[in-house]
Amino acid sequence: DAGVIQSPRHEVTEMGQEVTLRCKPISGHNSLFWYRQTMMRGLELLIYFNNNVPIDDSGMPEDRFSAKMPNASFSTLKIQPSEPRDSAVYFCASSPPNRAGNTIYFGEGSWLTVV
Amino acid sequence: GEDVEQSLFLSVREGDSSVINCTYTDSSSTYLYWYKQEPGAGLQLLTYIFSNMDMKQDQRLTVLLNKKDKHLSLRIADTQTGDSAIYFCAEMSTGTASKLTFGTGTRLQVTL
Repeated sequence: DAGVIQSPRHEVTEMGQEVTLRCKPISGHNSLFWYRQTMMRGLELLIYFNNNVPIDDSGMPEDRFSAKMPNASFSTLKIQPSEPRDSAVYFCASSPPNRAGNTIYFGEGSWLTVV
Repeated sequence: GEDVEQSLFLSVREGDSSVINCTYTDSSSTYLYWYKQEPGAGLQLLTYIFSNMDMKQDQRLTVLLNKKDKHLSLRIADTQTGDSAIYFCAEMSTGTASKLTFGTGTRLQVTL
């Protein structure tokens, strides 16, 4: 079974550059989540989608961040322009409909460093 | 809003039992979860418990839930070096439509 697939796994970019993180959820899952993990703030939910529609984006830090889900099998998280404080691990996760325990499955993360 | 707290660090000897504790504030929590994160990896779901249960056992893992005190624990029997990781407690509340709130994570160190 393919899990949640994220790319790139690692990215180092210069301040001011645009960063695009990609996610392919598990087939058949209808909810998709973007989380950010830092030492200081732990795991934060940035945004989540249900049936490709953004439901709650209250965790998105500021206008530099945007997320899209054009179809059930793909989502992007974009940061433009990037800043050093955006350095973090960004996790995508998905969950199926009518799931026992409402379990959420995580990808391996995209490790972003902005210098 | 929801708040989930854990101690930051736990050290145990190989073969002993580990108990990782978690407290939460939201009395409307429906499900509570334990995730494991190994270095450089994503979060792996270990187990979950529904809020109307007080215990769940799965092989070496035992989850205890005290809903009155809003206290959740994860016991790992016969702890092995491969259990060294960060363990996250998370809760999901009614009305939050699948949104999980995570604790800060407890780093478990297993020594020989």
